[in-house]
Amino acid sequence: KAGVTQTPRYLIKTRGQQVTLSCSPISGHRSVSWYQQTPGQGLQFLFEYFSETQRNKGNFPGRFSGRQFSNSRSEMNVSTLELGDSALYLCASSWTFLGDYTGELFFGEGSRLTVL
Amino acid sequence: GESVGLHLPTLSVQEGDNSIINCAYSNSASDYFIWYKQESGKGPQFIIDIRSNMDKRQGQRVTVLLNKTVKHLSLQIAATQPGDSAVYFCAENNQGGSEKLVFGKGTKLTVNP
Repeated sequence: KAGVTQTPRYLIKTRGQQVTLSCSPISGHRSVSWYQQTPGQGLQFLFEYFSETQRNKGNFPGRFSGRQFSNSRSEMNVSTLELGDSALYLCASSWTFLGDYTGELFFGEGSRLTVL
Repeated sequence: GESVGLHLPTLSVQEGDNSIINCAYSNSASDYFIWYKQESGKGPQFIIDIRSNMDKRQGQRVTVLLNKTVKHLSLQIAATQPGDSAVYFCAENNQGGSEKLVFGKGTKLTVNP
């Protein structure tokens, strides 16, 4: 069974540009969450989707957005990039809601974004 | 505010010893806790979880202890192996119906042969 797949794995952008990151969850998983990981702030929740609906959003500016498609694949977009957006962006999927206490989130290996 | 913290950023142990990684959380409303392991260049990997109605849960070579009185969580790894070297994060969930996790800063475990 394939794991969570994130593309691209690495990318370099300049300030002011925008970027789109993609996440393919494990087959059958309907819930997708996104996290930002930086050395200074650690792992921070961005947003979560379930059945194409955003169910929760973290404390990030409106430049950060996302969506989920009918096949559960998800994308996140960051517009008007800033130097501080350099980070590892992690996607996680699960069969259902953590709120249902099924427990395990499966993380991808992340997309490492560098903003110059 | 929300915060899940760890007592030590680094921990070094000898192969075969037992490891204990600690975590303090501040939100008494949190009712679900998880430990993740992150190896270099990889995403976090689920290790074990525990609900607030439990004090202890055991897995293969790992045990999680929860002390709600002092809001403390610990991960015990028995017979630590070089493959256990990684960064360990505790995380909490306090929003029923949401998958939002609040992560601690992480403890880097180094296992010396």
